[in-house]
Amino acid sequence: EAQVTQNPRYLITVTGKKLTVTCSQNMNHEYMSWYRQDPGLGLRQIYYSMNVEVTDKGDVPEGYKVSRKEKRNFPLILESPSPNQTSLYFCASSLASGEADRQYFGPGTRLTVT
Amino acid sequence: LAKTTQPISMDSYEGQEVNITCSHNNIATNDYITWYQQFPSQGPRFIIQGYKTKVTNEVASLFIPADRKSSTLSLPRVSLSDTAVYYCLVGDRVGDDKIIFGKGTRLHILP
Repeated sequence: EAQVTQNPRYLITVTGKKLTVTCSQNMNHEYMSWYRQDPGLGLRQIYYSMNVEVTDKGDVPEGYKVSRKEKRNFPLILESPSPNQTSLYFCASSLASGEADRQYFGPGTRLTVT
Repeated sequence: LAKTTQPISMDSYEGQEVNITCSHNNIATNDYITWYQQFPSQGPRFIIQGYKTKVTNEVASLFIPADRKSSTLSLPRVSLSDTAVYYCLVGDRVGDDKIIFGKGTRLHILP
């Protein structure tokens, strides 16, 4: 089944403790992206990647890192999480950067930072 | 990337046709219009995409007037399960790698 998977689905952590949220897609998509969703603010793009080893900042990249060493994986790294990063995170992928508007989304990761 | 404006929320009743309009006055020549649907605690799901005139699929229709400065997503005969947030996006399918979703329209279907 074609899908985007994220792990973990739920995570509660403490301020400053490094964490990684994994994202994987099995559709051989070139384009991958991370979003956060907060009440009243809609979906905001954090980082995106047009292909392996090619990443760029979205609208809200501060406090996050990403890497794209393999085509299928695009982990989101929070080196020193803070409470304002408590949010619902979505990973998404699309066939190519030219198809960036037609994306497939993962199930989401709900992160709480205390 | 063209900015979009949608109503924050809408209510309708089961069995009705629902039309959600999106305004995108600064749409560029190469821009496409894309709509997504998002249920609570799920990721958005692509519904429909178009460039001009009318596009229809099994889920919805998309109407785009000649000047392309707005578009209307039409959901025929809605049911309670159509309660969701609907996002309108405008972007160049070739050049725009950054995606802006905006806040969407919260559609609430009443019995």
